[in-house]
Amino acid sequence: GQQVMQIPQYQHVQEGEDFTTYCNSSTTLSNIQWYKQRPGGHPVFLIQLVKSGEVKKQKRLTFQFGEAKKNSSLHITATQTTDVGTYFCAAVVNFGTGTSLTVIP
Amino acid sequence: DAGITQSPRHKVTETGTPVTLRCHQTENHRYMYWYRQDPGHGLRLIHYSYGVKDTDKGEVSDGYSVSRSKTEDFLLTLESATSSQTSVYFCATGSGQYTEAFFGQGTRLTVV
Repeated sequence: GQQVMQIPQYQHVQEGEDFTTYCNSSTTLSNIQWYKQRPGGHPVFLIQLVKSGEVKKQKRLTFQFGEAKKNSSLHITATQTTDVGTYFCAAVVNFGTGTSLTVIP
Repeated sequence: DAGITQSPRHKVTETGTPVTLRCHQTENHRYMYWYRQDPGHGLRLIHYSYGVKDTDKGEVSDGYSVSRSKTEDFLLTLESATSSQTSVYFCATGSGQYTEAFFGQGTRLTVV
């Protein structure tokens, strides 16, 4: 299967600071998906990237898929307290370990 | 959110007893998945189904079995529960193998 590693495991930021989480694979991925899980909740789909070098934006969130399709990143600009949660990348059915984001007001 | 219902939502059981968790969907999705979530491990795939009576093992399938006799229901059975199976279990569904997954609310299982 397509396995992915995700870093960092935890990130604490001041509100208004930027945040980035990275997803890496040793093999070429067919696609990459990103999910967000709020504390106590269930994972919710954010986006899917398919093409090499693809960049997609959702308001303050920017998603990138590497040229070699072996890595991906999620960048949040000017974090808000509503961004708190764990962000997962997923390659087909396999999820990364997630990055838990804490936003300090 | 897709219509995915997990039952029970919480369960405490004793070591050695069998336990069955149920996932019910109303979306007619072909694919259904069972994951467990543990701190530091993210979501790990236990078993998945790609159609009625079609199932396959995931990363952490030992000690678990599944059945899917109808499109809408996917059952996860812990044949003889152990303390290491204490976890939060999530069911997910998807219309295709490469499409987004929709998750249920989760079942918190404690094995004592």
